[in-house]
Amino acid sequence: SQTIHQWPATLVQPVGSPLSLECTVEGTSNPNLYWYRQAAGRGLQLLFYSVGIGQISSEVPQNLSASRPQDRQFILSSKKLLLSDSGFYLCAWRLQGPSNSPLHFGNGTRLTVT
Amino acid sequence: AQSVTQPDIHITVSEGASLELRCNYSYGATPYLFWYVQSPGQGLQLLLKYFSGDTLVQGIKGFEAEFKRSQSSFNLRKPSVHWSDAAEYFCAVRGNFGNEKLTFGTGTRLTIIP
Repeated sequence: SQTIHQWPATLVQPVGSPLSLECTVEGTSNPNLYWYRQAAGRGLQLLFYSVGIGQISSEVPQNLSASRPQDRQFILSSKKLLLSDSGFYLCAWRLQGPSNSPLHFGNGTRLTVT
Repeated sequence: AQSVTQPDIHITVSEGASLELRCNYSYGATPYLFWYVQSPGQGLQLLLKYFSGDTLVQGIKGFEAEFKRSQSSFNLRKPSVHWSDAAEYFCAVRGNFGNEKLTFGTGTRLTIIP
């Protein structure tokens, strides 16, 4: 069966520091991968998605970037964090191809920028 | 572009009572519709999905949802809630023409009282 791992679970970082959040998927090949951010009391905002190695689409211009160095690895990064980057970050995957395949989420990373 | 509205931010029901969470979508054709549940500090879990065919779909944990094209709605129901159903519920929509973006509503927080 497929599993998705996301780490760390929580992170406290000072303003101006770099960020690296990692997500890996097991049990499937060539998945579509996604990064979402969830602000307190709000819905989920799609940040990036990837349909293959090295292919990244950005939904919202911001202080963050994403990379996909391997088929089942998706990384969210920042060179210098802002206070507004605080939030709950969720990685997700789905089968490539059929648009009706659902997203499967990791357990999220709670990021607090101080 | 598609959109989703969950008009109820917070709902409180008694344990054993019935539940209905509202979801309205905007899309030019019949979209793909999903309901997810999120426990505090966790990722999202898929409850059920609608693609086509029977407009009443069954999901996990005793939940069901009914697609009503005339009302552009996809309301989630459960005949008798349990204390463990307390969580945040998200409705989501994706277009059916290779659109990668899964658009989420802002969520409904469900509180269960004894």
